Amino acid sequence: DAKTTQPPSMDCAEGRAANLPCNHSTISGNEYVYWYRQIHSQGPQYIIHGLKNNETNEMASLIITEDRKSSTLILPHATLRDTAVYYCIVRVSSSGNTPLVFGKGTRLSVIA
Amino acid sequence: SAVISQKPSRDICQRGTSLTIQCQVDSQVTMMFWYRQQPGQSLTLIATANQGSEATYESGFVIDKFPISRPNLTFSTLTVSNMSPEDSSIYLCSVEGGTTASYNEQFFGPGTRLTVL
Repeated sequence: DAKTTQPPSMDCAEGRAANLPCNHSTISGNEYVYWYRQIHSQGPQYIIHGLKNNETNEMASLIITEDRKSSTLILPHATLRDTAVYYCIVRVSSSGNTPLVFGKGTRLSVIA
Repeated sequence: SAVISQKPSRDICQRGTSLTIQCQVDSQVTMMFWYRQQPGQSLTLIATANQGSEATYESGFVIDKFPISRPNLTFSTLTVSNMSPEDSSIYLCSVEGGTTASYNEQFFGPGTRLTVL
């Protein structure tokens, strides 16, 4: 079973920030939080990951609560091309040997 | 980053037949993974394939139904045997990034869309 809980769907206006929540209340101290997205008819794409500190890259920001039981993925200026299913995944290792286990994800629709 | 190609990209097959899906990576990787994505569903891990050893299958998947080969560090095949309509899915190959910059990333191929009639 997936270790994360996400809302099944969300809408966001184009140009606004998209904030996607994820609950992982049973996360262990050595588990990382990963975010991937899957645009229709494509394979999943890595977005960002973190352990305890907030992270930012060219695609998004990841905010992890101090108790690490939840996190939020932020797309600062959503575009129509950000319409996708977003998966929040917890994984023990930051390296190989532990494949990603996908939950149901959040279907984000960016609306013009 | 790792670039992954899969063949075929899609196929329509008759029940009772078998299809072999090929996965080619542009760099050497230790771990390769095969996933299935049924219509409207999330991805489910089928098996992990290491070069030079037997694949490790997840619960609900067996070698007789989904035999996997891993002859070298850049290539793998997944066969869907004795197909039924329930096997209609997208099958995706995935690898763990091998460079320092992509050390934490898992890359996915474009998938093979299989329809069984």
